[in-house]
Amino acid sequence: ETGVTQSPTHLIKTRGQQVTLRCSSQSGHNTVSWYQQALGQGPQFIFQYYREEENGRGNFPPRFSGLQFPNYSSELNVNALELDDSALYLCASSDDRQETQYFGPGTRLLVL
Amino acid sequence: QKEVEQDPGPLSVPEGAIVSLNCTYSNSAFQYFMWYRQYSRKGPELLMYTYSSGNKEDGRFTAQVDKSSKYISLFIRDSQPSDSATYLCAMTYSGNTGKLIFGQGTTLQVKP
Repeated sequence: ETGVTQSPTHLIKTRGQQVTLRCSSQSGHNTVSWYQQALGQGPQFIFQYYREEENGRGNFPPRFSGLQFPNYSSELNVNALELDDSALYLCASSDDRQETQYFGPGTRLLVL
Repeated sequence: QKEVEQDPGPLSVPEGAIVSLNCTYSNSAFQYFMWYRQYSRKGPELLMYTYSSGNKEDGRFTAQVDKSSKYISLFIRDSQPSDSATYLCAMTYSGNTGKLIFGQGTTLQVKP
């Protein structure tokens, strides 16, 4: 176990709705990254937060947004859900050196 | 062309076999190389981490990085049924370790 937790474990939404996913980082880690993993694919980087500021973003539209809180927990928000947003959403935490990232179990999102 | 290429398999071997998993990449700026193991419906688990070129051994696992060929490998000795999982290679740039670039993942089945 990495100490990174995510909630909920899975959920179902319909097209056009909004969703918020949550992540609690491993103790002592101040950096959190979010990834989207489609079925049969490797994870794709969405963005990273370091000390409550966005610190890099992948090729995802602005309807994907995030927050990091003073306790280093984090949220991923997705607006105007599309069918292609159905995936496993993973968060990963790391410390100041950012040499390695430790992943949580993921939230499985299904958009109908 | 994807930045990181990984044969998706599936790869099926008998228990006790030596397994070789490989990734190729196109960007010579990658400096940090990782192997993650992902069981079905779980988050990726960090197995091996290597900086720059060379070999690293941890128990039954050996990671090799050949930067001149842009090629990395993971060897599993004395494979066990519990090794059955998807293996993801990941890499990132020096100074920007927040964004991991993953391969597609190779599905491995070790038969008793």
